[in-house]
Amino acid sequence: GDSVTQMEGPVTLSEEAFLTINCTYTATGYPSLFWYVQYPGEGLQLLLKATKADDKGSNKGFEATYRKETTSFHLEKGSVQVSDSAVYFCALSGVTGGGNKLTFGTGTQLKVEL
Amino acid sequence: DAGVIQSPRHEVTEMGQEVTLRCKPISGHNSLFWYRQTMMRGLELLIYFNNNVPIDDSGMPEDRFSAKMPNASFSTLKIQPSEPRDSAVYFCASRTSGGKNIQYFGAGTRLSVL
Repeated sequence: GDSVTQMEGPVTLSEEAFLTINCTYTATGYPSLFWYVQYPGEGLQLLLKATKADDKGSNKGFEATYRKETTSFHLEKGSVQVSDSAVYFCALSGVTGGGNKLTFGTGTQLKVEL
Repeated sequence: DAGVIQSPRHEVTEMGQEVTLRCKPISGHNSLFWYRQTMMRGLELLIYFNNNVPIDDSGMPEDRFSAKMPNASFSTLKIQPSEPRDSAVYFCASRTSGGKNIQYFGAGTRLSVL
């Protein structure tokens, strides 16, 4: 079945540091890929998405590129801020469940310090 | 748009009591999802509905859990009887049909069963 593997957290960075959160997936066919972010005490919200190979999703300075050859969708940001502290979830929507379901990774907590 | 609305935000109950969680999806969305989030198991899909019909309830942990969607604007998740291991944050999410499978999450209900 479909699965998503994320790097374990927490990831602790200083403000303005470069961020990479690794995400790899297993799925049949060509899934759509997503990054969701969960701020403390809130629900998940979509950060960015990519629907086909080599697509780059971007939002709020975050980027991720759909790499079919390496089955990866790593999240990057060039300069993090304290306000980026949150839990980040990689997810896919694939053939399983008729494309209706999202399969989530376990989440990676990011802490950004001054 | 008010977003997905969940109530209550917090629920504290005693073991053996019935608990009902409520969700109002975004108007016009025809798919609704119930998730459970715990530290140990991460984010788990419990059940989802399309056009008010339950499609996949394979994630419902046991018969103590039940979910209904009597109309397009309301859903409930009921636990009867509740147990301490049911303590978690329960999220509801909704989305439109077709499109890119972007799910919109509510703020969640934090359930504590004592």
